[in-house]
Amino acid sequence: NAGVTQTPKFRILKIGQSMTLQCTQDMNHNYMYWYRQDPGMGLKLIYYSVGAGITDKGEVPNGYNVSRSTTEDFPLRLELAAPSQTSVYFCASSYSGVGTEAFFGQGTRLTVV
Amino acid sequence: QKEVEQDPGPLSVPEGAIVSLNCTYSNSAFQYFMWYRQYSRKGPELLMYTYSSGNKEDGRFTAQVDKSSKYISLFIRDSQPSDSATYLCAPGTDRGSTLGRLYFGRGTQLTVWP
Repeated sequence: NAGVTQTPKFRILKIGQSMTLQCTQDMNHNYMYWYRQDPGMGLKLIYYSVGAGITDKGEVPNGYNVSRSTTEDFPLRLELAAPSQTSVYFCASSYSGVGTEAFFGQGTRLTVV
Repeated sequence: QKEVEQDPGPLSVPEGAIVSLNCTYSNSAFQYFMWYRQYSRKGPELLMYTYSSGNKEDGRFTAQVDKSSKYISLFIRDSQPSDSATYLCAPGTDRGSTLGRLYFGRGTQLTVWP
């Protein structure tokens, strides 16, 4: 059982470049989340989805976009990368949102130079 | 006002000590109170959770919620070096405009030395 899988694990981007962080889960979870984690700053919610075709903004959505065409996949798109987007990105999923356990991927370490 | 406030530490204790980790929150609608543990360079994992007020015990860990003061605590008894990690509180609600959102505190970095 793979759980939540994120790719890539590491990436260096130049300012202005774009990229997509991939996230897939094999637990048939309805809810999926994208967080960023800066040193000592906890997890900030970027976007979340309560099911295929449904997405909503979290606390820090600017500079990011998401889509949810299938239950399994929830990619995060960075357009025009900026140094402020240097962070560790975590994807998570849960069966029915708050009150059920969220399972996290291993994270993607992104550096924008 | 932030949804969740948590002292980031760091906290360093000797093996066998009792550890107290705390959070405060602002949203009175929160009903679920979760604690996640995050080892270095790993994703967070659920440690335990409580629903509404009261205590919940699981082995050496006790979670406590006081909704009247909006205060969440996690106690670790007989702490071990393997408990060294960052602990994140995560309150939430399944009602209203924040449906689906899971908020996290900044996390408290704990080191237990032998």
